[in-house]
Amino acid sequence: GAGVSQSPSNKVTEKGKDVELRCDPISGHTALYWYRQSLGQGLEFLIYFQGNSAPDKSGLPSDRFSAERTGGSVSTLTIQRTQQEDSAVYLCASSLTTTGRTEAFFGQGTRLTVV
Amino acid sequence: GENVEQHPSTLSVQEGDSAVIKCTYSDSASNYFPWYKQELGKGPQLIIDIRSNVGEKKDQRIAVTLNKTAKHFSLHITETQPEDSAVYFCAASKNNNDMRFGAGTRLTVKP
Repeated sequence: GAGVSQSPSNKVTEKGKDVELRCDPISGHTALYWYRQSLGQGLEFLIYFQGNSAPDKSGLPSDRFSAERTGGSVSTLTIQRTQQEDSAVYLCASSLTTTGRTEAFFGQGTRLTVV
Repeated sequence: GENVEQHPSTLSVQEGDSAVIKCTYSDSASNYFPWYKQELGKGPQLIIDIRSNVGEKKDQRIAVTLNKTAKHFSLHITETQPEDSAVYFCAASKNNNDMRFGAGTRLTVKP
């Protein structure tokens, strides 16, 4: 596919369990973002990857959250020991950061529900 | 890092009226300002963007203005239609890197 793909689309997990969310960016896009969107709320920045540079992790809410991007492509966001307040839609976006058009393309998101 | 503030958080207008959403940013080096529209159950999609070398850009019923001195930019939608109802996000980035978003505005257009 040509767009950003996220999986799973929905995830229900028990409190205390670990979850992994996956993002497949558009091929060739060097920038990748993770955002969290709670019900009816805005986009909360979590982490930003740009090429081979060290990621900007300043938005991660706690040390239970981590993310990696292997080979400059696929990214996984891991939440350890999930809590109910982690319930939200997790959105991934990628962009081609050149001097031209730099539109960020979003995936459909993963809706995480912690019960 | 960049901090983007967006107002109002909710906006309700009658069909045919205009809607204006305003954003401010903190980093004077930011030079790219896109606007995204998010419909229910979908990811945000780009609707219009503006770079710091211009003050205004129009695309049919949508226009954006940028005031670099004051570090604010606005989205203007004219002749609103019910299908304009959505959540709108502004964003700012520097040299096309590290895009930060505003908190969003939920626009409701009443028929």
